[in-house]
Amino acid sequence: GAVVSQHPSRVICKSGTSVKIECRSLDFQATTMFWYRQFPKKSLMLMATSNEGSKATYEQGVEKDKFLINHASLTLSTLTVTSAHPEDSSFYICSANGETAASSYNEQFFGPGTRLTVL
Amino acid sequence: GQNIDQPTEMTATEGAIVQINCTYQTSGFNGLFWYQQHAGEAPTFLSYNVLDGLEEKGRFSSFLSRSKGYSYLLLKELQMKDSASYLCAVLDDKIIFGKGTRLHILP
Repeated sequence: GAVVSQHPSRVICKSGTSVKIECRSLDFQATTMFWYRQFPKKSLMLMATSNEGSKATYEQGVEKDKFLINHASLTLSTLTVTSAHPEDSSFYICSANGETAASSYNEQFFGPGTRLTVL
Repeated sequence: GQNIDQPTEMTATEGAIVQINCTYQTSGFNGLFWYQQHAGEAPTFLSYNVLDGLEEKGRFSSFLSRSKGYSYLLLKELQMKDSASYLCAVLDDKIIFGKGTRLHILP
């Protein structure tokens, strides 16, 4: 089936540094990718919708200058957490919409997630 | 507004059957998903319903009533590995997640 990868799977950084997380669709083209944030024992919170070749659409309350999203190609979106602080520590998950031969609808495939810890 | 409700926690016994309900109020509707999420992992797809009725897939079944804004996920022959959170999500112009139901399986 369709696969979405994320890199890195875990990252620990110092406060004030920037961290880039990559999300790739491995065997399909994704015009739209989504970035989510998840706190422990909480549901997924949609941060932004990333559209290939255009600016991302951010959800209310998400700082676009802090969470930079770039969707440079149909298979790659990146999320950069700028000037990270301990409160940014979280599990970040991307998903990509795509159609496969096995599904008759535009299914959403999730990446494995990236655990960010800011010291 | 957009609202998806599901119970916060449920407990069931190994080998039994459990039904997890989900009600939703959204401005649009293009389908309803159920996902399973184990702690520390990304969600995995379980089912998709866009038409009313029951979809069966092995031990898992999902039901949808669009007129009632209601869905349930039915898990049969529960196994310990089914201990996880189950997320109900509605596809509008984007996917909207419920808060998830943490299912505890007792031996």
